[in-house]
Amino acid sequence: GAVVSQHPSRVICKSGTSVKIECRSLDFQATTMFWYRQFPKQSLMLMATSNEGSKATYEQGVEKDKFLINHASLTLSTLTVTSAHPEDSSFYICSARQGSGGTEAFFGQGTRLTVV
Amino acid sequence: DAKTTQPPSMDCAEGRAANLPCNHSTISGNEYVYWYRQIHSQGPQYIIHGLKNNETNEMASLIITEDRKSSTLILPHATLRDTAVYYCIVRAGSNDYKLSFGAGTTVTVRA
Repeated sequence: GAVVSQHPSRVICKSGTSVKIECRSLDFQATTMFWYRQFPKQSLMLMATSNEGSKATYEQGVEKDKFLINHASLTLSTLTVTSAHPEDSSFYICSARQGSGGTEAFFGQGTRLTVV
Repeated sequence: DAKTTQPPSMDCAEGRAANLPCNHSTISGNEYVYWYRQIHSQGPQYIIHGLKNNETNEMASLIITEDRKSSTLILPHATLRDTAVYYCIVRAGSNDYKLSFGAGTTVTVRA
């Protein structure tokens, strides 16, 4: 299947700093990518939908000024956690779909963020 | 998208078939059934999807009942590496690809 790559796979940062996570579709173009967050022992929660060339659409309760999403090309979306706090520590996962209609989405390997 | 119901956990023996049920009684005509799995500390992995016909690929088989209100994912010969959380998700083909993950079924394959 298609490959979606995230970088970094894990990151530790200090409170108050910002962290950028990259999501790349390696062998296909993705007009839409999705960002999820997963806390320990919980399921994935959709944070936002990233659309190439336009503003991201955020789910209810997700602060758009805190979680900045940029989708500047058909193969790259970035999520920046600004002014990170310990409660932002989580597993962040992106996905992208290839094609439209009844096709599957492919997920990145996830980024483990720890804010100290 | 319609809601799904899965058992919270199940065990299976290595080498045996694992049958994972999913109930989606409110599924509508244009909604597909998707299965993903998540091995610990990794991103979800696509397994299979179908609309109304049974499907098979190199990983698994998907059996959808005629009324489409339930389905079963079959792992034909479970291995220890199949230990994961398995998610059954229903999604409309016209949906912009938001996937709503429930709690899934935690499958433990035992030697």
